[in-house]
Order: sequence, then C-alpha cells, then structure tokens
Amino acid sequence: DIVMTQSPDSLTVSLGERATISCRSSQSVFLGSNNKNYLAWYQQRPGQPPKLLIYWASTRQSGVPDRFSGSGSATDFTLTINSLQAEDVAVYYCQQYFNAPRTFGQGTRVEIK
Amino acid sequence: QLQLHEAGPGLVRPSETLSLICSVSGGSITSGNYYWGWIRQSPGTGLEWIGDAAYRGKTYYNPSLKNRVTVYLDTSRNQISLRLSSLTAADTALYFCARTCNGGSCYVAGTDVWGQGITVTVSS
Repeated sequence: DIVMTQSPDSLTVSLGERATISCRSSQSVFLGSNNKNYLAWYQQRPGQPPKLLIYWASTRQSGVPDRFSGSGSATDFTLTINSLQAEDVAVYYCQQYFNAPRTFGQGTRVEIK
Repeated sequence: QLQLHEAGPGLVRPSETLSLICSVSGGSITSGNYYWGWIRQSPGTGLEWIGDAAYRGKTYYNPSLKNRVTVYLDTSRNQISLRLSSLTAADTALYFCARTCNGGSCYVAGTDVWGQGITVTVSS
C-alpha cells in the first residue's frame, strides 16, 4: 500500500494569510507515460462529505476558488490556500489514486487564529 | 446533476453482516470510465477507502478488509451495494458512497461525487 503522510496535523492561520499543507507519499504516484501525478486534495467541512478541490496534483476542480492551488510531483505535494477565508475552516485530505487501495492522508485541520 | 444516496441499517450487531445500498440518480453507473465504491470515516478520524468497482471492469478492495468486503454494481437498479461481514465495533463509522475516475483520460480525476453518508453503529 502507498502510505500518505500529511503535515502538519493542524494549522492555525489568520484571516487573509496563507496556509500551506504538505503531503508525502511512500512511493511515487507519477506516471511517466502520461506525465500525470495521481494525487487529489479534498476539503471536508463539519457535517459534510469531502469535496474535491484539486486533481492531477495541480488541476483545480470547477467552481473551486483560485486561492486554492496544488503543486508538487512524484512523492512530495503541497496544497496552498492564499488569503484564508472564514469558510476555509475545514479538514483537508490528500489522496493517491495511482493504485488500489486508494489511500488518504490522515488529514490536516485548518483553523482561524 | 449526479447524486448518490446511501441507505441501510443504522445499527448492526457484532459478528453480523452489514448491507448498504447506494442509489444513483442523474446518471448511469454504466456510462463513462468510473469506479463506484465506498469510503468510510470512523468517529473523529480520517477517511478509509473500502473498495470500488467499474462497470465491465475490475473490483478493488482494501487489503485490510478484503476477506470481509464485497462491492457490487446492480446495473438494473443503478445501485452500488456494500456487504461487510464479521462486524466488530471497529466498523462503526460514517459510510460514504462515491464515484472515482483514475484513468489518464478522465475529464475530472479523483473522487468527484460523494453521497452524504450513512452512520452505522456496531453494537449489541
């Protein structure tokens, strides 16, 4: 199984500031034949199912604000939230869909300072 | 708009088998190159992928559950079913039905559609 490890476990950021979450996979999720990283990011607000934010490591899902961005390749990835808003308070998960089991990171809780 | 809705018992006894159904509306489980499956979330913890299946494709399971889990696509009813046997308290969780695309040709990759989830408690 590919193990996904996120850091930090929790993050407290002031409104309008930047939040940065890291995700590391125990093996590469990059497929050279199509030049894609099989990595997604999700946001889960309290009482809600997860919501897809980013796929292919850096492609923003339709309707997701452009303050959310994803970067990285192979085993190291980052989710950046620029200019944090109150509605961004949530737990964020990375997931690899390179192979089964399609494992998730343990989650990073983002709160407002 | 595609919607997923989970249904099943909220309380199951230890050692019994859990059966959940996910009804799909606004689209067919036979169209596109999607995997249809289940993800769960134990109270206060993270997400655990259970397994998924593709129409005319393979079925994949989490090895940690493999001997106890079955995911089945009922194309006549446009439903996805989950069976999990030999339940213990550790199976108490919120169970989500979800759609995933992971091929290089996916218009949107990852798990882009989720049900609201159903809470299952394993207790005598």
